[in-house]
Amino acid sequence: DADVTQTPRNRITKTGKRIMLECSQTKGHDRMYWYRQDPGLGLQLIYYSFDVKDINKGEISDGYSVSRQAQAKFSLSLESAIPNQTALYFCATQGLAGGKQFFGPGTRLTVL
Amino acid sequence: GESVGLHLPTLSVQEGDNSIINCAYSNSASDYFIWYKQESGKGPQFIIDIRSNMDKRQGQRVTVLLNKTVKHLSLQIAATQPGDSAVYFCAENRSNDYKLSFGAGTTVTVRA
Repeated sequence: DADVTQTPRNRITKTGKRIMLECSQTKGHDRMYWYRQDPGLGLQLIYYSFDVKDINKGEISDGYSVSRQAQAKFSLSLESAIPNQTALYFCATQGLAGGKQFFGPGTRLTVL
Repeated sequence: GESVGLHLPTLSVQEGDNSIINCAYSNSASDYFIWYKQESGKGPQFIIDIRSNMDKRQGQRVTVLLNKTVKHLSLQIAATQPGDSAVYFCAENRSNDYKLSFGAGTTVTVRA
């Protein structure tokens, strides 16, 4: 969905490096989510935010941190990347009424 | 058409046939369900949703059926086309706090 954008789309980095993935949305949604997708698996929730400066851990938050300084932006950081964090990362938004989430195009992260 | 009695990771369908993709959910308290389609290199896209007060909902060429007795959800695609080749995920609102929990996905391949 073009209303949800992610940068970068692809990133290759080395073990121990700090990485930040950015998500921006123009849908005006309050709720934002970060997911990780590994081959053959569904989407696993890393962190989510229901409002500016509201941060909640998901299923697999260890090794990750997030920041929500504005309604339109939700960033995901890997403070010290490790190879098993190699995956596809998706950001999603959701309106206040709940229901369907709208996904960005994803970031493919490779940690060497 | 072809159907999957249990959740299987892959489904091969002849072009023009009907497809049925199955999903089992775990929480009888879940009250909202979604089907997403994910094409290669893209984020998940919303297909159709259904609330627990309904048994069936139809969209364009797609139908979702909900059987609450056995906690089973299915997606039917009529007259499957090559563009339907993708991974299909079901998701449920399990905790009633608007987070979605995703299944592992079914990869649908359409044969010409």
